[in-house]
Amino acid sequence: DARVTQTPRHKVTEMGQEVTMRCQPILGHNTVFWYRQTMMQGLELLAYFRNRAPLDDSGMPKDRFSAEMPDATLATLKIQPSEPRDSAVYFCASGLAHSGQLVEKLFFGSGTQLSVL
Amino acid sequence: AQTVTQSQPEMSVQEAETVTLSCTYDTSESNYYLFWYKQPPSRQMILVIRQEAYKQQNATENRFSVNFQKAAKSFSLKISDSQLGDTAMYFCAFMKPPGGTSYGKLTFGQGTILTVHP
Repeated sequence: DARVTQTPRHKVTEMGQEVTMRCQPILGHNTVFWYRQTMMQGLELLAYFRNRAPLDDSGMPKDRFSAEMPDATLATLKIQPSEPRDSAVYFCASGLAHSGQLVEKLFFGSGTQLSVL
Repeated sequence: AQTVTQSQPEMSVQEAETVTLSCTYDTSESNYYLFWYKQPPSRQMILVIRQEAYKQQNATENRFSVNFQKAAKSFSLKISDSQLGDTAMYFCAFMKPPGGTSYGKLTFGQGTILTVHP
């Protein structure tokens, strides 16, 4: 079965360190989302790409977070420097959208659980 | 901005029985999409069911069905013949229709933890 692959599955780091999370969307999907899940805030959208172009990153703290798609098979989310409040599960999701059409289904990865000490 | 509210933090049900999870939302849009996602302990987010607001007929997927009340902005999930594998966190989610940069973006509720007891 095709699936969204996220690495690493778990990451423990110290405050101030750089963290890079990677996502391989399903081959052929042109829409990629990054979500963050915490107990307090639930699931929040951080960034959103269509055909590798960022469409909406308004949910992302710009001073420390950055999201990119170097190519169609890789999306990255970086935090530099990391802080304890960044501790959360970070999900990547991908889908296929044609012009003006709904993304029929979003496929989620298993998430990266980040702990910043 | 859209908001999605799940007022039941936790629910429990006996195996083989029926349970209903509640969801309300707030939007000024007339057309939109609503979803229920399941998140088992494995963390994987799994799409359970989808409803298009312009369709009056309630969506069904095997043991899962919804009660969509557009005027009341209510979207509840009914699970029939509950199974142990249904134990998970369930999220209600809203998606705006095509158009603009927010298209395709899901807004999630806080989730309801469902436990199915043997």
